[in-house]
Amino acid sequence: AQSVTQLDSQVPVFEEAPVELRCNYSSSVSVYLFWYVQYPNQGLQLLLKYLSGSTLVKGINGFEAEFNKSQTSFHLRKPSVHISDTAEYFCAGQTGANNLFFGTGTRLTVIP
Amino acid sequence: DTAVSQTPKYLVTQMGNDKSIKCEQNLGHDTMYWYKQDSKKFLKIMFSYNNKELIINETVPNRFSPKSPDKAHLNLHINSLELGDSAVYFCASSQAPGYYGYTFGSGTRLTVV
Repeated sequence: AQSVTQLDSQVPVFEEAPVELRCNYSSSVSVYLFWYVQYPNQGLQLLLKYLSGSTLVKGINGFEAEFNKSQTSFHLRKPSVHISDTAEYFCAGQTGANNLFFGTGTRLTVIP
Repeated sequence: DTAVSQTPKYLVTQMGNDKSIKCEQNLGHDTMYWYKQDSKKFLKIMFSYNNKELIINETVPNRFSPKSPDKAHLNLHINSLELGDSAVYFCASSQAPGYYGYTFGSGTRLTVV
């Protein structure tokens, strides 16, 4: 079975500091990987996606992620966070014609 | 112009009632989905429709019945609501089954009292 695991349920970080949100995947077949963000009381917005090709993918709002096949990871990074980045972040995967499956989310809190 | 719109945004109702949540997408996508987000923020797929036909029906009580009058609409009807149905329900769409990149609606927060 395919799955993604988000290793941290909560990540507090000071404003302008770098952040890394961790995600590991498990799949016996090729997998597409995504990061979504959910701001308070809002829907899910796609931050970035990895389909194939370059393992470093850049997304919106200054976020990037690196696909690492040997470590089965797809960690999300931002070099300098803002207060407005406070949100819930979801790693997600998709294989073949199957539906999108999600991790349990990481709550990023940016401290002024 | 909202790509995937859900109504209502909030829904508070008593146990035992029947309620519906509506979803519409104007992206021309063929596939639509319902996801449930529980109190711990975990998102799990409930249903998937492709061009008005059901293709995924996860382990969901049969009190939940999706209906797709056309490929731009996927409504969710819930009978005999229970306290455990309280959650946020998200509608989403994609170009085709398995096509990467879902577009999500803003969610419907259902509270059963």
